[in-house]
Amino acid sequence: GAVVSQHPSWVICKSGTSVKIECRSLDFQATTMFWYRQFPKQSLMLMATSNEGSKATYEQGVEKDKFLINHASLTLSTLTVTSAHPEDSSFYICSARDGAERQHFGDGTRLSIL
Amino acid sequence: AQTVTQSQPEMSVQEAETVTLSCTYDTSESNYYLFWYKQPPSRQMILVIRQEAYKQQNATENRFSVNFQKAAKSFSLKISDSQLGDTAMYFCAFSHNTDKLIFGTGTRLQVFP
Repeated sequence: GAVVSQHPSWVICKSGTSVKIECRSLDFQATTMFWYRQFPKQSLMLMATSNEGSKATYEQGVEKDKFLINHASLTLSTLTVTSAHPEDSSFYICSARDGAERQHFGDGTRLSIL
Repeated sequence: AQTVTQSQPEMSVQEAETVTLSCTYDTSESNYYLFWYKQPPSRQMILVIRQEAYKQQNATENRFSVNFQKAAKSFSLKISDSQLGDTAMYFCAFSHNTDKLIFGTGTRLQVFP
């Protein structure tokens, strides 16, 4: 149980395009989901907290207009990287919090911007 | 602000031996949670063990156990009978009231045959 599916697992696109990453809780409802970013050989840094039915809460230094988060249902949150540039290349991981207040992670998305 | 510090960038251990990974944290909160996550080369985040701060008893999960010293704000992970599959990055993490996770910088563990 408690499976989180993240899609796509790997995406390569040209600079200037927008990329959408999906995070789904498959067998539980998640009022709250989290989006993290991980640079090579570094730790996970929280970008934002996604709340179902309301606006996301962004961490200091994260551009909300650059990283659009939508949490329209209890099982789906999306992160859209708008007008992506090479410096946005990174590993993005989501997690979903279940009813027992435990976080379950997706497998991550490797984003490469050319 | 809460911080998590892992002072060992890399560790190595021989198969079947025991290794301890260190973690310290800083917080003014009294109610919080501490975690150890494992990230293998596949980069999936796997929860190894979780400790509630209000519990004095150290958490244990099979070969994995922690030494939680609340006064010293220390939370080390002991891996007994190390296996080759334990090779991974290990992250210590803090959470206040099951809120967002704050991660340490990680320790790369290599288990040798």
